[in-house]
Amino acid sequence: DAKTTQPTSMDCAEGRAANLPCNHSTISGNEYVYWYRQIHSQGPQYIIHGLKNNETNEMASLIITEDRKSSTLILPHATLRDTAVYYCIVRATNAGKSTFGDGTTLTVKP
Amino acid sequence: DAGVTQSPTHLIKTRGQHVTLRCSPISGHKSVSWYQQVLGQGPQFIFQYYEKEERGRGNFPDRFSARQFPNYSSELNVNALLLGDSALYLCASSLGGAVPYEQYFGPGTRLTVT
Repeated sequence: DAKTTQPTSMDCAEGRAANLPCNHSTISGNEYVYWYRQIHSQGPQYIIHGLKNNETNEMASLIITEDRKSSTLILPHATLRDTAVYYCIVRATNAGKSTFGDGTTLTVKP
Repeated sequence: DAGVTQSPTHLIKTRGQHVTLRCSPISGHKSVSWYQQVLGQGPQFIFQYYEKEERGRGNFPDRFSARQFPNYSSELNVNALLLGDSALYLCASSLGGAVPYEQYFGPGTRLTVT
């Protein structure tokens, strides 16, 4: 699995967009980008995934660069409940193993 | 639909003992993966099972073993417990197969080894 690099921590004002970057410069052609988040002491929660096109769901948007070497998770209107550790993972189509790094601790402030 | 369930929620064991953790996947999911999360770190992959067969193993000693049952539930066994085995053990359920799929995580079992 390709390694990902994320900033250790980020702050965001409540109601503003939170943009969380992730570098995955060694990603392979068959690897998807997945984002999860983990609120303290709970299991990680799936957010979104994509291959090369931008994706949007009810939780977030995922922007993947054309060369696929980096991506950005966008929470359009962050709330206090979005405070969590966010993990960016790259994983091949049928691989059951997700390689988690240390993620980005996002703190949403009032 | 019920999500991924894990039991027990919390567990305290003594060094040298054995522990069995249990996981029930989401209905219809055939793949279960196990992860260990030490405080302050991201989850680390231990095992994946799909259709009752082991499909992947992480860098963990042979003291760790697992199995998947015909109903797709799974057990993680750890023998000869060490203090360093204290962690949150997470089970993730997914459809599996050759299409991109999401993994859905359970709430975890908090194991404390004293």
